[in-house]
Amino acid sequence: RKEVEQDPGPFNVPEGATVAFNCTYSNSASQSFFWYRQDCRKEPKLLMSVYSSGNEDGRFTAQLNRASQYISLLIRDSKLSDSATYLCVVTMEYGNKLVFGAGTILRVKS
Amino acid sequence: EAQVTQNPRYLITVTGKKLTVTCSQNMNHEYMSWYRQDPGLGLRQIYYSMNVEVTDKGDVPEGYKVSRKEKRNFPLILESPSPNQTSLYFCASSLSPGLAVSYNEQFFGPGTRLTVL
Repeated sequence: RKEVEQDPGPFNVPEGATVAFNCTYSNSASQSFFWYRQDCRKEPKLLMSVYSSGNEDGRFTAQLNRASQYISLLIRDSKLSDSATYLCVVTMEYGNKLVFGAGTILRVKS
Repeated sequence: EAQVTQNPRYLITVTGKKLTVTCSQNMNHEYMSWYRQDPGLGLRQIYYSMNVEVTDKGDVPEGYKVSRKEKRNFPLILESPSPNQTSLYFCASSLSPGLAVSYNEQFFGPGTRLTVL
């Protein structure tokens, strides 16, 4: 079983739609959680951190459920520019070891 | 401009010919790391370094070496490349290791696409 699992998609949604991704992790000792965004053939960039209390940044909301060992990302009012691969990232060993999910592809269409 | 640079960006080589991919950051970050990205597998950590002269294995260290003689540089060395090391490689740095807060963002270099024939 992979340490971090994501639905690879692709998720094809129209502009303005709300879309949600989940990510599950297997190691209960995981310490911190992030969502990164990666455009085609480019480097990943931090989208947002994920806290137990949940956090929101504009149209993006991230949630963490430690009991069920999953994190989620909700995107409201999707834009064409949101089309990308979204990577779930979990850290272990006091933040030194990062484990990435394989990514979920989002395609927003007009 | 704050950045992580990698060189070369593209490399085609042959089995067994030693190569080095350089990585440099200008943000005075303590933590640096190397990843490889393969279709369906995502990014996998090869090696990481918490500070000068401190390096540790990630998930897929076999066939790779690293060194951290200076804070800003973290080269990746393939002593005898093989075709299964054909991949997209990313170097990354962050302010400090071991911080479970938002400013532990990893800053990635632009990637090095390596093909080993």
